[in-house]
Amino acid sequence: DILINQSPASLTVSAGEKVTMSCKSSQSLLYSENNQDYLAWYQQKPGQFPKLLIYGASNRHTGVPDRFTGSGSGTDFTLTISSVQAEDLADYYCEQTYSYPLTFGSGTKLEIK
Amino acid sequence: QVQLKESGPGLVQPSQTLSLTCTVSGFSLTSYNVHWVRQPPGKGLEWMGRMRYNGDTSYNSALKSRLSISRDTSKNQVFLKMNSLQTDDTGTYYCTRRAGPFDYWGQGVMVTVSS
Repeated sequence: DILINQSPASLTVSAGEKVTMSCKSSQSLLYSENNQDYLAWYQQKPGQFPKLLIYGASNRHTGVPDRFTGSGSGTDFTLTISSVQAEDLADYYCEQTYSYPLTFGSGTKLEIK
Repeated sequence: QVQLKESGPGLVQPSQTLSLTCTVSGFSLTSYNVHWVRQPPGKGLEWMGRMRYNGDTSYNSALKSRLSISRDTSKNQVFLKMNSLQTDDTGTYYCTRRAGPFDYWGQGVMVTVSS
């Protein structure tokens, strides 16, 4: 199984600050046939279901604000929020979509001061 | 619009069988894969298994001996059955559509395993 190490476990920032969180995979998520990375990011607000933010490591899902940016390739990936808003209070999960069983990182809890 | 909705009992006794239904609308089960993902209270997400568009299934090996996923395309429903439930099976169970990543999710159903 592909293991996903997500960090930090939590972070607290003020509105307007820039935030970065990391996902590291135990093996490459880059599919050489199409040069595509199979890594997705989800946002789960308190009491809600997860919502897709980023797929293919760097593609924003429909309707996702452009302050959310995914980057990275191979085994190291980053989710950046350029200017955190109060509404971004949530848990963030990465998921490898490269092979089964699908696996998730343990999550990063984002809190706003 | 695309919707998924889970239904089932909120309370299951230990050692009993959990039966959940995912009713979908806005897309065809013969065109998309539907997966089950669960989340223990306060913890992360765990992939459980999937029903492919062609009727094939696959399961998380950790659950495979206890888990069964089936469907009724005429009713737009996907079913999850898991036996021998224990307290650590308590959590929220989601069905979700997969089109590459998981692009649509149900609201989830909370299942508590307790006597």
